[in-house]
Amino acid sequence: DVVMTQSPLSLPVSLGQPASISCRSSQSLVSSDGNTYLNWFHQRPGQSPRRLLYKVSNRDSGVPDRFSGSGSGTDFTLKISRVEAEDVGVYYCMQGTQWQWTFGQGTKVEVK
Amino acid sequence: EVQLVESGGGLVQPGESLRLSCAVSGFTFSNYWMTWVRQAPGKGLECVAIINQDGSAKYYVDSVKGRFTISRDNGENSLYLLMNSLRAEDTAAYFCVSTTRDLPHDYWGQGTLVSVSS
Repeated sequence: DVVMTQSPLSLPVSLGQPASISCRSSQSLVSSDGNTYLNWFHQRPGQSPRRLLYKVSNRDSGVPDRFSGSGSGTDFTLKISRVEAEDVGVYYCMQGTQWQWTFGQGTKVEVK
Repeated sequence: EVQLVESGGGLVQPGESLRLSCAVSGFTFSNYWMTWVRQAPGKGLECVAIINQDGSAKYYVDSVKGRFTISRDNGENSLYLLMNSLRAEDTAAYFCVSTTRDLPHDYWGQGTLVSVSS
């Protein structure tokens, strides 16, 4: 199975400041079709997860442009340009290149 | 409006069975892969099973192989998860998810709680 490792696991941030989360996979996430199926999800307390980005850097509908994704191969990053109060919660990366799809452990973002 | 509504969760004893259902509306159900994702209390996310558009392809996480069966009824716009021989470690919220790997289509239900305890 592909192991996804996130860092940090806890991220205190000040409102209006940038934030960055790293995700590393144990194997390359480049698929045989040439695509890299790396997603990012956000889960607020008591809510279902919501996907933010797919294929590394493509934003889902309604996702603010302060969220961006980058990376290739085994190293990926989610960046929030200016953290807002609604951004608190847990962020997960997930690989969809190889079944079994696997998630990272989660990074808890909280306001300082 | 897209809706995925799970049902069928509850408290059962180890070794017993449950059948989860997910009623889908708001998009063409038969066009998309569907998956069940679970989250143990206070823990992360785990993709348990996935099924393709016509039900001809099904994949399971190793820990549930031989015990869980995913299925769908495209005429009823419904997804199912039959869970047999339940164990304490299966205790989790189970989410019904419609997703694609390469399109802006990713929808989650609110989850249904499964608790396995004697």
